[in-house]
Amino acid sequence: ILNVEQSPQSLHVQEGDSTNFTCSFPSSNFYALHWYRWETAKSPEALFVMTLNGDEKKKGRISATLNTKEGYSYLYIKGSQPEDSATYLCAVLNQAGTALIFGKGTTLSVSS
Amino acid sequence: DARVTQTPRHKVTEMGQEVTMRCQPILGHNTVFWYRQTMMQGLELLAYFRNRAPLDDSGMPKDRFSAEMPDATLATLKIQPSEPRDSAVYFCASGPDRPNTEAFFGQGTRLTVV
Repeated sequence: ILNVEQSPQSLHVQEGDSTNFTCSFPSSNFYALHWYRWETAKSPEALFVMTLNGDEKKKGRISATLNTKEGYSYLYIKGSQPEDSATYLCAVLNQAGTALIFGKGTTLSVSS
Repeated sequence: DARVTQTPRHKVTEMGQEVTMRCQPILGHNTVFWYRQTMMQGLELLAYFRNRAPLDDSGMPKDRFSAEMPDATLATLKIQPSEPRDSAVYFCASGPDRPNTEAFFGQGTRLTVV
């Protein structure tokens, strides 16, 4: 069974702070990594999909890195804003491409 | 505006009744996922279809749950008989058949079994 771990479980920061979260997965059973943003009462929306070791992706103030050899990805938010408050989900597509497994997410709360 | 459509959005049913949840994937997408959201487990994968064939349904309780894709525009998830522990939000997602592309989620069906 592919186990995807995210930490921390929740995080509270002040507006303007930069922050980062971690997603860990077994490097032996990996094809692709997805990051999603999930706002309350909405559906998860994709931020990034990464497949290659050393990949870095950026969208505005949010960026992500991938290390497939050691089995982790970081999501960074620079200068957090209240509208960044959401749950950030990491998901891993297994090596066979037959399952997309989600972590339990990191819930970010940004205070103004 | 292409989107994944799930029906119904909300369902309240009595224990023992059959429940059918429907999903219309985005046109052209040939992978479909069913997830169950619970407080304890987060998003649990129940089933994964590619080109209408089930690739993985190992996360689905086989005794009462079944998932099918009768055609490319419809995926169904059935629970028979339903139990109170099945109460959750069920999400469908679809994607193109390329591993480096994201999944697009529907708005979910909130199921309550009383």
